[in-house]
Amino acid sequence: QVQLVESGGGVVQPGRSLRLSCAGSGFILSSRGMHWVRQAPGKGLEWVAVISHDGSGKYYADSVKGRFTISRDDSKNTLYLQMNSLNAEDTAVYYCAKAAFGVAPPADFWGQGTLVTVSS
Amino acid sequence: QTVVTQEPSFSVSPGGTVTLTCGLSSGSVSSSHYSSWYQQTPGQAPRTLIYTTNTRSSGVPDRFSGSLLGNKAALTITGAQADDESSYYCVLYMGSGISVFGGGTKLTVL
Repeated sequence: QVQLVESGGGVVQPGRSLRLSCAGSGFILSSRGMHWVRQAPGKGLEWVAVISHDGSGKYYADSVKGRFTISRDDSKNTLYLQMNSLNAEDTAVYYCAKAAFGVAPPADFWGQGTLVTVSS
Repeated sequence: QTVVTQEPSFSVSPGGTVTLTCGLSSGSVSSSHYSSWYQQTPGQAPRTLIYTTNTRSSGVPDRFSGSLLGNKAALTITGAQADDESSYYCVLYMGSGISVFGGGTKLTVL
């Protein structure tokens, strides 16, 4: 049974850093591209970043480019999102999701999300 | 900056058919945008309905279908049910690794 479980969210002060994790089970994360998608309170979905299946391609939304880094540890079957220089606009539930193929949009499986709150 | 457009709201009668659309502020949607559709109820994670234009995700009833309609991507729900009342989001692949979500459509079944 395929499962994605995010963790690492919490309350963080503006300007600080946080690392989110997405642990996969039931499939090998490196077999597919993997996305991070976020949703601010009361708002719609926003695509954040994607990493290709082989890790050679990493792509970011303009809103997070230069501050966020997507990565993967294949030995732990885990996806990460390192978030630096956080600001209030980064407050959101963060979801990880499998790509359909390559770095195409999210396909069939999503995690349950982890909440990040940026506040002083 | 290209914007992905969706109807902010839509209503359908129980048993009726509704088509939600997903367009571009500039240009036409094609199969190379790999349009995908997600359903979300408040407090829940998104659920994938359709990906790569018309592939139904596992477990999704066949009354949900995806297509290209004119210059847009479309999600059609036939035989709408009360529990279809949700928000629906589309996403388009813009190339160079970038995906962009639409603003979502809030569907009311009444």
